[in-house]
Amino acid sequence: EDQVTQSPEALRLQEGESSSLNCSYTVSGLRGLFWYRQDPGKGPEFLFTLYSAGEEKEKERLKATLTKKESFLHITAPKPEDSATYLCAVQLDKLIFGTGTRLQVFP
Amino acid sequence: GAGVSQSPSNKVTEKGKDVELRCDPISGHTALYWYRQSLGQGLEFLIYFQGNSAPDKSGLPSDRFSAERTGGSVSTLTIQRTQQEDSAVYLCASSLGQAVNYGYTFGSGTRLTVV
Repeated sequence: EDQVTQSPEALRLQEGESSSLNCSYTVSGLRGLFWYRQDPGKGPEFLFTLYSAGEEKEKERLKATLTKKESFLHITAPKPEDSATYLCAVQLDKLIFGTGTRLQVFP
Repeated sequence: GAGVSQSPSNKVTEKGKDVELRCDPISGHTALYWYRQSLGQGLEFLIYFQGNSAPDKSGLPSDRFSAERTGGSVSTLTIQRTQQEDSAVYLCASSLGQAVNYGYTFGSGTRLTVV
């Protein structure tokens, strides 16, 4: 069965404390892996798409990487405004989402 | 419009009543998706429409749920005889097509509460 698992469920960081979020997947025929950010009361907002193992993408303090079995979202020197739920999803004929990691960054 | 618009933003309904949720996708986007997000859960796929093809209804949880898309644009998700377990945020997304490099743009969702 196609499955996407994210860990940890929740993460509390001090401002400036770097960390990584994990997304592991078991799917056949991966066409792409997506990272989204979701703020309370809002829909998910697109961050990155990764297509093949070894690929990396960066945006400000965020960097996403992909292997054959998992993806990491690295957050370098986070700020309070990075607080959100981060969702990963794999593309089959539609997106299959993980349950997300709720990140809180404290000043 | 500039983004995906959903209405209403909040809906409280009594158990057993029918509800209709509306999604207005980005102009020109041929693919439209409905997802459900329950408290503390990930996004659960419900249904998608791609152009004039038959919709993929494989995620609809029961026959109380149905959706239509008129004229390749606006979509309505209907839930009949609502139950308390239907309480969730219903999210709509659209994209230029099904190709993987076409990202999804989500609306802000409709928060449905069944009392």
